[in-house]
Amino acid sequence: GAGVSQSPSNKVTEKGKDVELRCDPISGHTALYWYRQSLGQGLEFLIYFQGNSAPDKSGLPSDRFSAERTGGSVSTLTIQRTQQEDSAVYLCASSYRDRVSYEQYFGPGTRLTVT
Amino acid sequence: AQSVAQPEDQVNVAEGNPLTVKCTYSVSGNPYLFWYVQYPNRGLQFLLKYITGDNLVKGSYGFEAEFNKSQTSFHLKKPSALVSDSALYFCAVRDNAGGTSYGKLTFGQGTILTVHP
Repeated sequence: GAGVSQSPSNKVTEKGKDVELRCDPISGHTALYWYRQSLGQGLEFLIYFQGNSAPDKSGLPSDRFSAERTGGSVSTLTIQRTQQEDSAVYLCASSYRDRVSYEQYFGPGTRLTVT
Repeated sequence: AQSVAQPEDQVNVAEGNPLTVKCTYSVSGNPYLFWYVQYPNRGLQFLLKYITGDNLVKGSYGFEAEFNKSQTSFHLKKPSALVSDSALYFCAVRDNAGGTSYGKLTFGQGTILTVHP
């Protein structure tokens, strides 16, 4: 079946601009996660959504970062007033349920470059 | 807080030889452990997981991992390496102790595996 999809695959933006990254989880998966992968920081958790519960935003690095999930499916990660340190690969993942035993399935990522 | 360490940035092995990629973890509750592989310009692919039960778990592509509670380790192994196994490998842990860490995976820094022909 279809996996997690993300768009765009690559995004180049100027410092100070806002960007939106999109994630389509696997159909039927109720939990959705955002991670960031960068050379200096490795893989970092950003935020996760489970059903209609309030999202866990504990990993968001600053208030310039926000995310929403509409209709329990598609999610958008928004970065306002981008900075060069925001350059990274942003990975989205989904899992069948928010249970520790369920593995997460990752999308191909969006490579963000802030110039 | 939960954490994962992959002590080797790189592992080199000849094709046909056994390989081991090391991982140790720290959690406050019971650990749920995962291995993922990442090929260049691709997302992470799930390989295997330990939840409970048999300490030796088998996963995709002939990989297996051994959970050792006393040593807090979860090393990835394969009896006979292939050149196509060359990739970046991540160990990850989830803690079942609840709280704000309940949902997320905490990853190690990754180990680059290179299998030489």
